[in-house]
Amino acid sequence: AQKITQTQPGMFVQEKEAVTLDCTYDTSDQSYGLFWYKQPSSGEMIFLIYQGSYDEQNATEGRYSLNFQKARKSANLVISASQLGDSAMYFCAMREGAGFNKFYFGSGTKLNVKP
Amino acid sequence: EPEVTQTPSHQVTQMGQEVILRCVPISNHLYFYWYRQILGQKVEFLVSFYNNEISEKSEIFDDQFSVERPDGSNFTLKIRSTKLEDSAMYFCASRMGFRGFTSTDTQYFGPGTRLTVL
Repeated sequence: AQKITQTQPGMFVQEKEAVTLDCTYDTSDQSYGLFWYKQPSSGEMIFLIYQGSYDEQNATEGRYSLNFQKARKSANLVISASQLGDSAMYFCAMREGAGFNKFYFGSGTKLNVKP
Repeated sequence: EPEVTQTPSHQVTQMGQEVILRCVPISNHLYFYWYRQILGQKVEFLVSFYNNEISEKSEIFDDQFSVERPDGSNFTLKIRSTKLEDSAMYFCASRMGFRGFTSTDTQYFGPGTRLTVL
């Protein structure tokens, strides 16, 4: 089974509107972390936001918020007031446990912000 | 703000040649990683490195791959005999390493090296 599933290969949103990018995860660990990264066309991976499995509140970082629903194993990224510069690939990732642990990445969602 | 750097940004090589991809992780980080991303696909884990040894490697990381931290700052990925299917973006990442989870313990990625094998 896939550890991270992103079911939206592509999304369009109007500038200044909010958009939700879906992410579901699969783990049997009690301790894990969920991350979102942005990858613009230039290729670099930019860390956006983090949610820990024990965090009771949804994470927020500026215009980014994470809608964490633990029972449903979902960690959707919400971008408010979309900007043209938000057009990029967005990857959801998970780290299980602690220590060295690698990230599992989803297949990504390509977001296009329309003027 | 400290960042992970990678050189070169783009490497073109002939099949069968050796390549070395270089990374300078963030200076106080303890855990180092290599990932790759074939064009249009997801990012895949290759190897993690801690305390001067490999801590975990994926099935992709076969005998053709090796990693090294030759000094206190560089972290390299060597592919001994490149194949066409090695063409990908290779990302280095580093992590400070705390007990438990905090947002500051995320993995910070370098800008990547695009490897093209002809």
